[in-house]
Amino acid sequence: GAGVSQSPRYKVAKRGQDVALRCDPISGHVSLFWYQQALGQGPEFLTYFQNEAQLDKSGLPSDRFFAERPEGSVSTLKIQRTQQEDSAVYLCASSLGKLQYQETQYFGPGTRLLVL
Amino acid sequence: TQLLEQSPQFLSIQEGENLTVYCNSSSVFSSLQWYRQEPGEGPVLLVTVVTGGEVKKLKRLTFQFGDARKDSSLHITAAQPGDTGLYLCAGRGYQKVTFGTGTKLQVIP
Repeated sequence: GAGVSQSPRYKVAKRGQDVALRCDPISGHVSLFWYQQALGQGPEFLTYFQNEAQLDKSGLPSDRFFAERPEGSVSTLKIQRTQQEDSAVYLCASSLGKLQYQETQYFGPGTRLLVL
Repeated sequence: TQLLEQSPQFLSIQEGENLTVYCNSSSVFSSLQWYRQEPGEGPVLLVTVVTGGEVKKLKRLTFQFGDARKDSSLHITAAQPGDTGLYLCAGRGYQKVTFGTGTKLQVIP
């Protein structure tokens, strides 16, 4: 595909339910990021992968959040036992290289998660 | 924790007016990027500024990086309804990206 895709686009979950959010980065992109964005706010960093290696997971809010990128391409963000405060848009971004400071991040459209 | 504060948080102006959005931090960044985000979409990169004092122009948009590489501004001349969106600055460091708090701009025809 031409850009970063994410699925599902919308997810409604009952409190306590587990969810899995998928990100398909641009083919060949080394770096992959997950962000959490509240309405009208800037994205907040969750985690960063360089190929299959998760180099930074300092932004994950709790141990209920888990991300993987086993083959260095598709990534999944899993949230266990969802809580209402997990409701947000989850954005995935990829970039070609190893996060050089001038690189462009290409964002997907996001998954809007609503926990009831 | 690196923080990037944007001001104003909200801005509603008439078509044809000029505006400036500010992005401030107490931290030094290797580069500063500006993004625009429309509802239901991910942010899209507008520009990257790297050198302290650097000024870049993109049609009616002018971006400036502060001399100390801690702050930046975005100036829009003769705003158009198509400029409506959420404007985000992002500070880049080694293997780290920090986004600003966002400025929601509405341009009324």
